[in-house]
Amino acid sequence: DVKVTQSSRYLVKRTGEKVFLECVQDMDHENMFWYRQDPGLGLRLIYFSYDVKMKEKGDIPEGYSVSREKKERFSLILESASTNQTSMYLCASIDGGSTDTQYFGPGTRLTVL
Amino acid sequence: RKEVEQDPGPFNVPEGATVAFNCTYSNSASQSFFWYRQDCRKEPKLLMSVYSSGNEDGRFTAQLNRASQYISLLIRDSKLSDSATYLCVVNPLTGGGNKLTFGTGTQLKVEL
Repeated sequence: DVKVTQSSRYLVKRTGEKVFLECVQDMDHENMFWYRQDPGLGLRLIYFSYDVKMKEKGDIPEGYSVSREKKERFSLILESASTNQTSMYLCASIDGGSTDTQYFGPGTRLTVL
Repeated sequence: RKEVEQDPGPFNVPEGATVAFNCTYSNSASQSFFWYRQDCRKEPKLLMSVYSSGNEDGRFTAQLNRASQYISLLIRDSKLSDSATYLCVVNPLTGGGNKLTFGTGTQLKVEL
């Protein structure tokens, strides 16, 4: 059974804090993605990675960075959290070369006070 | 114009009804199309892929019209458990093979 896990379901942080969101997949997938989901805006791609140590900007990368040191792990970093980064963050993975199913983690609901 | 557009709903229908959702996409070069389902406070999950010839999976039928750039999802004999948000998803195949563009979703509520 495929599995994508995220380090926290709920997280509360203060403005200016550095925040790490971790995502791990056990399917040996090459490609991993970070999205945020907000009411009325849908899922928006923040960053993605096609391989270890590779990263590409998505549609809304400002204020975020990522790290992919191991194939199974993709981390999203908020260097200095701001209130407008309060959102649901979803990680996903897919096998390289596939154009089919992306598998999502359960999401992290981040609140920045 | 948004890359993928959907009517947000909500669609409130009685159990047993037939309901249809439409979605339009702007990139005519898009190659792959999907419907994902997202339950409240859960992650999106693939419902079905959409093929040019149309495809059916039980009570669900998906259609693609490339000329008009729209995708549809038909649900027959609606069940209470069908209540969810349905996301129209397109793979534009630009800037990398696996990037997906998501619509904002159409909310369905099936009632007794």
